[in-house]
Amino acid sequence: KQEVTQIPAALSVPEGENLVLNCSFTDSAIYNLQWFRQDPGKGLTSLLLIQSSQREQTSGRLNASLDKSSGRSTLYIAASQPGDSATYLCAGQYGNKLVFGAGTILRVKS
Amino acid sequence: DTGVSQDPRHKITKRGQNVTFRCDPISEHNRLYWYRQTLGQGPEFLTYFQNEAQLEKSRLLSDRFSAERPKGSFSTLEIQRTEQGDSAMYLCASRPMGDTQYFGPGTRLTVL
Repeated sequence: KQEVTQIPAALSVPEGENLVLNCSFTDSAIYNLQWFRQDPGKGLTSLLLIQSSQREQTSGRLNASLDKSSGRSTLYIAASQPGDSATYLCAGQYGNKLVFGAGTILRVKS
Repeated sequence: DTGVSQDPRHKITKRGQNVTFRCDPISEHNRLYWYRQTLGQGPEFLTYFQNEAQLEKSRLLSDRFSAERPKGSFSTLEIQRTEQGDSAMYLCASRPMGDTQYFGPGTRLTVL
């Protein structure tokens, strides 16, 4: 069964801190790994997509890595800001569907 | 705005009633997905359309659920004889030939 797990479930950090969110997946036959942001009561916004043949992707202050052999991905956020407060979801694409983790709730305190 | 739109944004219904949700994908996105998200969980895949063909359905999609995508444009998701366990956020996403899925704002269903 394809399962995605995210650790920690919640994280609170002071503004300016660098942080790492973790994602693990049980089935390494992953087509790609995606990170999304979700604000309360809203839909999902795509942040980064890493193809299975890639090791990392970067966008601004965000960097995501993928290690298929260990079944892990990390999302690194540099110099966190209060506006980064949201739920961060990772998802593995298997065939036609995305399998999501439960998310990490991030709060950045000013 | 050319993003994915969903209607209604909120729906409150009584147990046993039927409800229908609509999703309008981004123009020319031939792939459309429905997901369900309950509080504190990530979205769970329900079904997938490529153009008008429904190519995959999750076991979560019981016989009370039906989805259509006539003419390969907008899609509807109907839930018959709603139950309290159907209360959730229903998310629609569309996807072009690339890999990124673009999500709509969701329809929040509350079954009393």
